[in-house]
Order: sequence, then C-alpha cells, then structure tokens
Amino acid sequence: ETGVTQSPTHLIKTRGQQVTLRCSSQSGHNTVSWYQQALGQGPQFIFQYYREEENGRGNFPPRFSGLQFPNYSSELNVNALELDDSALYLCASSGTGGGYTFGSGTRLTVV
Amino acid sequence: AQSVTQLDSQVPVFEEAPVELRCNYSSSVSVYLFWYVQYPNQGLQLLLKYLSGSTLVKGINGFEAEFNKSQTSFHLRKPSVHISDTAEYFCAVSANFGNEKLTFGTGTRLTIIP
Repeated sequence: ETGVTQSPTHLIKTRGQQVTLRCSSQSGHNTVSWYQQALGQGPQFIFQYYREEENGRGNFPPRFSGLQFPNYSSELNVNALELDDSALYLCASSGTGGGYTFGSGTRLTVV
Repeated sequence: AQSVTQLDSQVPVFEEAPVELRCNYSSSVSVYLFWYVQYPNQGLQLLLKYLSGSTLVKGINGFEAEFNKSQTSFHLRKPSVHISDTAEYFCAVSANFGNEKLTFGTGTRLTIIP
C-alpha cells in the first residue's frame, strides 16, 4: 500500500508567477485535502476534493484553485504568487474508512 | 466552527523525564481529536486519535492522550522521553472522521535535553 506522494519537494518561484503542485493519494482514498503551513505555524485548510468536486474551502482567495482527477490524484494551483505564499504545502488523503494520511509536503519559496 | 489552543509553544524536557503537551479545543458540535508529530523537513505523522469510547487513547512511540469533555482538553503525555522525540507536535480537531477539514493548533516544539 503506497502512501501519499507530493511533487516537487521544493521549488522557488518569482512573485507574480503561477505554480502547480501535485499529489498522489494513498491507494483506496477518494478524498484529498490541501493545507498551507507557514513557517512556525500550524497547517491551515485550503480546500478539499471528493470525487473530483470541491467539497469545502478555507479562507483562501480564488487564486488558489485545485483539481482532482479520476484516479483521485490532485493538483493545487496558485496564480499571481505573493511573498506570503511561501510555505510548506501539505496534501492529505482519506477514504471511506476514515482517517487522514499526509504527504511530506512541497516547500514553496516565493522571491 | 472549531478552534484549538496549544498552550505551550516550546517545551524543553530532560531525556527519560515525563512530558505533557497541553491542548484545549472549542467546538459547537461533537469532535474527533488528533495529535500529529512533524519531524524537521517532513510531513505530518499521526500519533493517536480520539473518535469515541474510552477517554484514554494510546498511540505510537509510547504516547497517550486523555480526552476530557468537561475541560475541553486533549493533553498528550509520555512517561519517559527519548532524544528521538524531538519534534513539533500538533493537536487537531475535526467534526468528522475523514470528510471534514482538520483545524490545527499552532504547535508545540518539544526539545529533549540529553
């Protein structure tokens, strides 16, 4: 049974650019959630996808968007990057049995 | 809406001493409670969870937590810590087990002193 994998592990972008982060869910999990963890803070909920539909959203602007694919993998897209978007982005998957499995995260630095 | 307060941002403890990391929560509905550990440059690993039943929950690596509904607390304990327990610990709450968002506290950095 594979866990949650995220790519890339690190990347650096320039303010104003766009970025796409990817997440492969744990086998058998059909729900994916994304979290933003700023330095020294707890993770903050961005949004959740269930069966390719957005199923809940946190207090993030529309320039944060996502997709979930038929194989339950997911993307997080961020447009018009700002310096404050620098953070660790965590993906978590869950299934009908409940529980959340987190990936190791993508460290995004905006300069 | 739910919220989580972790009362201590940093906790230094001598090796082999006991430790308690405090967590209080607020919620208008029944909750599920979690403790996660984060090692440097890594994601979150589940230590333990409270869903229902016994209020004393045992987790991995010798950790346990006690759910106290009247005090809205879910404190994490370990009777004897090791150097390898040095990490950031997050308490989290959810209104559902797997289909609702997790609301996290700001974390407690546990440092083990040799």
